[in-house]
Order: sequence, then C-alpha cells, then structure tokens
Amino acid sequence: DTAVSQTPKYLVTQMGNDKSIKCEQNLGHDTMYWYKQDSKKFLKIMFSYNNKELIINETVPNRFSPKSPDKAHLNLHINSLELGDSAVYFCASSPDPGSYNEQFFGPGTRLTVL
Amino acid sequence: GQNIDQPTEMTATEGAIVQINCTYQTSGFNGLFWYQQHAGEAPTFLSYNVLDGLEEKGRFSSFLSRSKGYSYLLLKELQMKDSASYLCAGLDSNYQLIWGAGTKLIIKP
Repeated sequence: DTAVSQTPKYLVTQMGNDKSIKCEQNLGHDTMYWYKQDSKKFLKIMFSYNNKELIINETVPNRFSPKSPDKAHLNLHINSLELGDSAVYFCASSPDPGSYNEQFFGPGTRLTVL
Repeated sequence: GQNIDQPTEMTATEGAIVQINCTYQTSGFNGLFWYQQHAGEAPTFLSYNVLDGLEEKGRFSSFLSRSKGYSYLLLKELQMKDSASYLCAGLDSNYQLIWGAGTKLIIKP
C-alpha cells in the first residue's frame, strides 16, 4: 500500500535523450511536488501542482515539463538530457498547498546522464 | 534572500544525546519542519513547530525560537538506526518549503 510511488527507481541514459518519470499518490491529497536533490543533498523544489493546476514553477529549464492528468498523478518529462540533470528526483504530496501538513515523499528516482 | 543553515555533519555515541541546530531566514514564516532521510531513501517527517517552545515526541524533541530565527532537533538515547541526515525546512509566506542541505548524523558504538 505505497502512499507515494515513483517509476522508475533508477534511470541511466545518454545525453540528449528524452525521458519521463512517473509519480502516483493514493493518499487523496490535492497537492503534488517535484524536487531535485543533487550530490550536495540540497532539496530544491521544481514544481508544485494543486488539483492538476500548476502553482509553483521555480527557475527550471523549460526542458523539464510536468504533466498532471489527474490530481493523483504528476509526471515529469525531461527533454534533451544534460550531464547536470544527474540527481535524485523526489515526488511528494500533501493535503493542500498550505503545507502546514507534512509532505509525503516517494522513494526517489536516481537519474544518471552519461 | 531566504536561507537555512545547519551543520554539515555531526558525530555522536550510541545511547547519548545530540542537538542539531538550524537557523533560518525566510520571507515571512509559517513554521519549521524537521525531516529524517536515511541514505538512499526518501525524507520522512519528524516534526513541525510554529509556536515558540519545545515539542516532545518520544526520543525526539524540536525547539523553536521565532525571535532568534532558530530551531534545534534533540535526539535522546541515540540508537544506531538514528544514523541519517536531518533536514531543516522553513515554510515561507507563500507556503513554500525552503530546505537546508541537511546534517549528516553519524552514530558510533
């Protein structure tokens, strides 16, 4: 009964390729997030969606495009992958964007770009 | 600018007590979170403080001083499984979490 799930867990690909990471939550939450955690372990917010609508869009290259087909899913598509995109990507969800509540994180997707 | 500062690494002994400090500067303030992250795993929620004072939850306690922009996480009766990174995160006026880089806690027998 995984609360927040991501696939794949590991992704190794060549520079210039296009790849997608999928995220699903079964908690009934309205808000979902994508974070990037680099080798220095900083967690950086990339995007936040509330009920399928984009509410946070940090300074992220437009090669990154999130898609939310419904409020339980937030997928991340990355075009023209670059070496600097190598990181762990975490999906998370919370009941609402107010975020007084804790965020629940998925297991992470370790992306390695060669 | 917004900033969260915490030590990079700390070492403590099994059975002892350790305090991990965090100072924050956020645009507005709607609370402070502590998360635990084991190596190779996702962060998991530990605590949330929005009022000054100490919140105790079993072996873990979290303290907040809003006037000083300061928080700490106190871990008692340390166990080997407490070896992890501890992430401090401040919630700003836009309800956006601003994350610190985490403190790697190493527990020695």
